[in-house]
Amino acid sequence: EDQVTQSPEALRLQEGESSSLNCSYTVSGLRGLFWYRQDPGKGPEFLFTLYSAGEEKEKERLKATLTKKESFLHITAPKPEDSATYLCAVQPTTSGTYKYIFGTGTRLKVLA
Amino acid sequence: DAGITQSPRHKVTETGTPVTLRCHQTENHRYMYWYRQDPGHGLRLIHYSYGVKDTDKGEVSDGYSVSRSKTEDFLLTLESATSSQTSVYFCAISEGTGGGGEQYFGPGTRLTVT
Repeated sequence: EDQVTQSPEALRLQEGESSSLNCSYTVSGLRGLFWYRQDPGKGPEFLFTLYSAGEEKEKERLKATLTKKESFLHITAPKPEDSATYLCAVQPTTSGTYKYIFGTGTRLKVLA
Repeated sequence: DAGITQSPRHKVTETGTPVTLRCHQTENHRYMYWYRQDPGHGLRLIHYSYGVKDTDKGEVSDGYSVSRSKTEDFLLTLESATSSQTSVYFCAISEGTGGGGEQYFGPGTRLTVT
């Protein structure tokens, strides 16, 4: 069964304290892995797409990496404005192009 | 900005009443999706559309129907609302070839069924 698991569920960091969020996935074949940021009361906002193991994408303080079993979202020197829920989703190669499997997210709180 | 709006943004309704949520997009994307988001669950697909009048069911479609008579509008209807349908509903579009690729989401509709 296709599955996505994110850890930890919640994370509190001091401003400037770097850390990583994990997204473990089990799919028969991977079309793409996606990271989103979601602020309270808003829709998810697209961050990155990764397609193959070894690929990395970077944007400001965020860097996403991908292996054959998991993806990491590294946050370097976070600021309070990075506080949000980060969602991971995978799109399997099977089951049609409509299917995206979402994890339950990691709630990140960065303290000033 | 993918130009996605949802209406209403908040709604409270009574059990047994019909409810229609609207998703509107301004950029002629072919693929549109309706999700619900509940605590402890990831976003779950209700229905999706791959063109005007072309729709199909997702994993949690029971109790929901959709219609798409124009490219820009995708409607989600709860024929007879139940308390289990209290949730936040998100519309999304995807731009990739064949419906793949990253998705862009609307601001959501918070629905409470009393």
